[in-house]
Amino acid sequence: GAVVSQHPSWVICKSGTSVKIECRSLDFQATTMFWYRQFPKQSLMLMATSNEGSKATYEQGVEKDKFLINHASLTLSTLTVTSAHPEDSSFYICSQQAGRADTQYFGPGTRLTVL
Amino acid sequence: GQNIDQPTEMTATEGAIVQINCTYQTSGFNGLFWYQQHAGEAPTFLSYNVLDGLEEKGRFSSFLSRSKGYSYLLLKELQMKDSASYLCAVYSGGYNKLIFGAGTRLAVHP
Repeated sequence: GAVVSQHPSWVICKSGTSVKIECRSLDFQATTMFWYRQFPKQSLMLMATSNEGSKATYEQGVEKDKFLINHASLTLSTLTVTSAHPEDSSFYICSQQAGRADTQYFGPGTRLTVL
Repeated sequence: GQNIDQPTEMTATEGAIVQINCTYQTSGFNGLFWYQQHAGEAPTFLSYNVLDGLEEKGRFSSFLSRSKGYSYLLLKELQMKDSASYLCAVYSGGYNKLIFGAGTRLAVHP
């Protein structure tokens, strides 16, 4: 499988500030990465598909101006939560496809807490 | 619409066998995945089925029936470390994305 890292693993910020989360592919060149959000005791919800060198594709209901995605290289995608509010507190996970059937392999996740 | 159903919670005894069921209704089908997720951690890949039948991988096996829209994950010789959530996910070709069920929280007790 693929090895994916995320940074930071957790972050606490004040309401109104912006937070950037990095997702790196360590052993694979990823033209496509995926960003998910997971609230406690709920399943993963796809937020957007990040495409290297082009605009991200956002899922219905996800504000593209609030959740800025940049995929400037084949190994790095970033998600910036702008003007964060307490309701944005969640577990954010990225993934990339690799191998058989484009299996998705997940990064370790970033836990965001907005005070 | 897209719908994936699995039981919310299950309990089992160490050393036993447990079967976690998943039924799905999706637009297009390009394969079904099972992931394991421990609390506070990201999901890890367990298995993939695209053809009908059973795929065995060590203590874990996964079964698929496309005509019934049904899959199960079978865990044998349960260990305490198997306590986790198990996520069923379908790759929906129509939408070109992975759709997750809500997950089944499995508690293994001595």
